[in-house]
Amino acid sequence: QVQLVQSGAEVKKPWASVKVSCKTSGFTFLNYGITWVRQAPGQGLEWMGWISGYNGNTNFKPSLQGRLTMTTDTSTNTAYMELRSLRSDDTAVYYCARDTSDFWSGYQDYWGQGTLVTVSS
Amino acid sequence: EIVLTQFPGTLSLSPGGRATLSCRASQSVPSRNLAWYQHKTDQAPRLLIYGASSRATGIPDRFSGSGSGTDFTLTISRLEAEDFAVYYCQQYGGSPVTFGQGTRLEIK
Repeated sequence: QVQLVQSGAEVKKPWASVKVSCKTSGFTFLNYGITWVRQAPGQGLEWMGWISGYNGNTNFKPSLQGRLTMTTDTSTNTAYMELRSLRSDDTAVYYCARDTSDFWSGYQDYWGQGTLVTVSS
Repeated sequence: EIVLTQFPGTLSLSPGGRATLSCRASQSVPSRNLAWYQHKTDQAPRLLIYGASSRATGIPDRFSGSGSGTDFTLTISRLEAEDFAVYYCQQYGGSPVTFGQGTRLEIK
């Protein structure tokens, strides 16, 4: 069965970086993309960006460009999201999700369990 | 950027009732590339509808989607207790991908 298992909760200080992993199984990683979505406390879902499992191409939300990196390791079918220069408003639950497209950002049919990232001094 | 506006913000209904949730886009969504998700507290979002009207795998037929262009609707007929949650529309036809702000469906 399709599974996406994310790394555990993180507490970071302002200006630090965080890297969240998303280990996948149950499907052919190269045939899909991975999308990252976050939800700040009391807020809605925010699309952050997408990475192709096939060739590593990315598509980011413009406001996060410059602070955001997404990578994949096809040997372990794992995706990574790194956010730098953290601010308090980056405090959120971060989700990875299988994206149905491997060539551009599409919709997401399976989701990880979420990773809480807390930014606090 | 395509801005999605969902209404109402909160919908209060009784089990057995019918829910109609709306999602309006600031510009036409290409190729009806619109999805709906259900999100419950402390759970991952769940895909309900993609392509504006196609049900995702395992989604009961009481969930249906319709619409095109700038106006889309999610209808839930015969509400069950498990359906009370927050619902988001998402467009993936334009870049960047965007979500609506959500509609909370609560038990009346």
